[in-house]
Amino acid sequence: DAGVTQSPTHLIKTRGQHVTLRCSPISGHKSVSWYQQVLGQGPQFIFQYYEKEERGRGNFPDRFSARQFPNYSSELNVNALLLGDSALYLCASSILAGAGNEQFFGPGTRLTVL
Amino acid sequence: KNEVEQSPQNLTAQEGEFITINCSYSVGISALHWLQQHPGGGIVSLFMLSSGKKKHGRLIATINIQEKHSSLHITASHPRDSAVYICAVFRANAGGTSYGKLTFGQGTILTVHP
Repeated sequence: DAGVTQSPTHLIKTRGQHVTLRCSPISGHKSVSWYQQVLGQGPQFIFQYYEKEERGRGNFPDRFSARQFPNYSSELNVNALLLGDSALYLCASSILAGAGNEQFFGPGTRLTVL
Repeated sequence: KNEVEQSPQNLTAQEGEFITINCSYSVGISALHWLQQHPGGGIVSLFMLSSGKKKHGRLIATINIQEKHSSLHITASHPRDSAVYICAVFRANAGGTSYGKLTFGQGTILTVHP
């Protein structure tokens, strides 16, 4: 079975642009979580979605938004990009939402904002 | 002070050595993840545990809930074990916007020389 997939793998944008990142969970997984990992730091939680609804949100500005589709895939959108948004964006899927449900990570999308 | 602290931050070993990476946390948790991240970014889930000990191949993870401490051991280390090892926790009774949120340590960079 395929693991979590993310697209694109790399992306270069300029300040002020917007970006859409995509994630497909493991088959049978209904929950998707998004994390931001700035170089040299551990990942930071952005969102968790379950059954198309937002179930958790981290401390990120409203420029960050996401959604989950009926097939459980998910998009992360970031508007008005800033240099500080340059990071590795990780998607993780789990069977269910909430604590204690093992999360499986995708390869990430590396976003560079110039 | 971070809620999840790992030690050491950097670890260098010779092939064949026994390795221990430590994780301490300051909050109540429902489960703890040990993750492996190779250069390039992809994260692999090694273990999720909430009590006791788990073993997979040369990897062993233990957790002491009372002491709020977990360890990851690698026996007979090999250069291919070189990676960043990350500890992440699900907080107990996390609700509201923290639902499903993983809180990560800063990672331990392991280098194993032949």
